[in-house]
Amino acid sequence: GQQLNQSPQSMFIQEGEDVSMNCTSSSIFNTWLWYKQDPGEGPVLLIALYKAGELTSNGRLTAQFGITRKDSFLNISASIPSDVGIYFCAQPIRGSNYKLTFGKGTLLTVNP
Amino acid sequence: NAGVTQTPKFQVLKTGQSMTLQCAQDMNHNSMYWYRQDPGMGLRLIYYSASEGTTDKGEVPNGYNVSRLNKREFSLRLESAAPSQTSVYFCASSEAAVVGAFFGQGTRLTVV
Repeated sequence: GQQLNQSPQSMFIQEGEDVSMNCTSSSIFNTWLWYKQDPGEGPVLLIALYKAGELTSNGRLTAQFGITRKDSFLNISASIPSDVGIYFCAQPIRGSNYKLTFGKGTLLTVNP
Repeated sequence: NAGVTQTPKFQVLKTGQSMTLQCAQDMNHNSMYWYRQDPGMGLRLIYYSASEGTTDKGEVPNGYNVSRLNKREFSLRLESAAPSQTSVYFCASSEAAVVGAFFGQGTRLTVV
């Protein structure tokens, strides 16, 4: 089945640093979704991407749909303590209009 | 804006006990989902309901049952809880997978 591999699994950075993480899919698909989960909360959608090469920003966050269509990248600039959390990539499951599959997440820790 | 509401937020069960996790959404979404989250495993789909009156198995359905009571409500039942079901459970709703899903705050379940 469709699998999403996220890396790195975890990151420990200093406040103010830039962050980069990525996700690769075993299949080519036309949607990438990036979520953030704050500690003790449910995941929240950050950015959605629908076209190869697409670059979309949400504040200090920028996500890109890779041109190979099998990967996506999320960058956070000038990190702050509230960026702490787990970042997930997700895609609809091929053949379904309803189901999403998620990567295992990147745990980000920001040291003030 | 309530979004997706789950109850209870915390629960401790003894092995063999049963319980029902409740979920309601007020966004008029057709699709609803139950996921479980375990450390290092990401979010795994237990069951989903594409529309009122339909339910279907996800990736890890064993030991669970669901009921789509109406368009707003989707419940998850553990008939005989086992320690392996200790997890954080998230309910979500969506209009379509390609636009992502909205998540509740989660239910933290411990089975002893």
